[in-house]
Amino acid sequence: EAQVTQNPRYLITVTGKKLTVTCSQNMNHEYMSWYRQDPGLGLRQIYYSMNVEVTDKGDVPEGYKVSRKEKRNFPLILESPSPNQTSLYFCASTTRDRADGYTFGSGTRLTVV
Amino acid sequence: GQNIDQPTEMTATEGAIVQINCTYQTSGFNGLFWYQQHAGEAPTFLSYNVLDGLEEKGRFSSFLSRSKGYSYLLLKELQMKDSASYLCAVRDWDYGQNFVFGPGTRLSVLP
Repeated sequence: EAQVTQNPRYLITVTGKKLTVTCSQNMNHEYMSWYRQDPGLGLRQIYYSMNVEVTDKGDVPEGYKVSRKEKRNFPLILESPSPNQTSLYFCASTTRDRADGYTFGSGTRLTVV
Repeated sequence: GQNIDQPTEMTATEGAIVQINCTYQTSGFNGLFWYQQHAGEAPTFLSYNVLDGLEEKGRFSSFLSRSKGYSYLLLKELQMKDSASYLCAVRDWDYGQNFVFGPGTRLSVLP
């Protein structure tokens, strides 16, 4: 089944404790992206990657890091999480020309206390 | 810059028809997508318009007017399971071909 797999689904952590949210897709998509979704603000892009070893900042990259060492994986790293990073996070992937829209992962609800 | 507007909330009755509007201002328009998102779940793709006109897919249709910067999603024969948020997203040449999402419209279908 074609899908984007995100883990974990839920995570509660403390301020400053490094964490990684994993994302993997099995559709051989070149383009992958991370979004956060907050009430009233919609989906905002954090980082995106157009291919292996190519990453770029989205609209809200501060406090986040990503890597794209393999085509299928695109982890999101929070080196020192803060409470304002409490949010619902989605990983998404699509083809190089983005003609088909996104396939989204099932989301990660992160709470930073 | 980019700007996408949608109504925040709408309510409709089961069996009725509802139209959800989306207006946008982008410098390099290259396609408009509609997604459905149930609460706490991932968005799922509904439709795609790049040329003017109406695209029909079963109970759902989407319309685009590029000259007016306007699109709508039409849902017919509403069912309770259609209660969800509907997201309008524009693909923008001048934004690295990335998608810019609107704030979403939360639709409640009442019996």
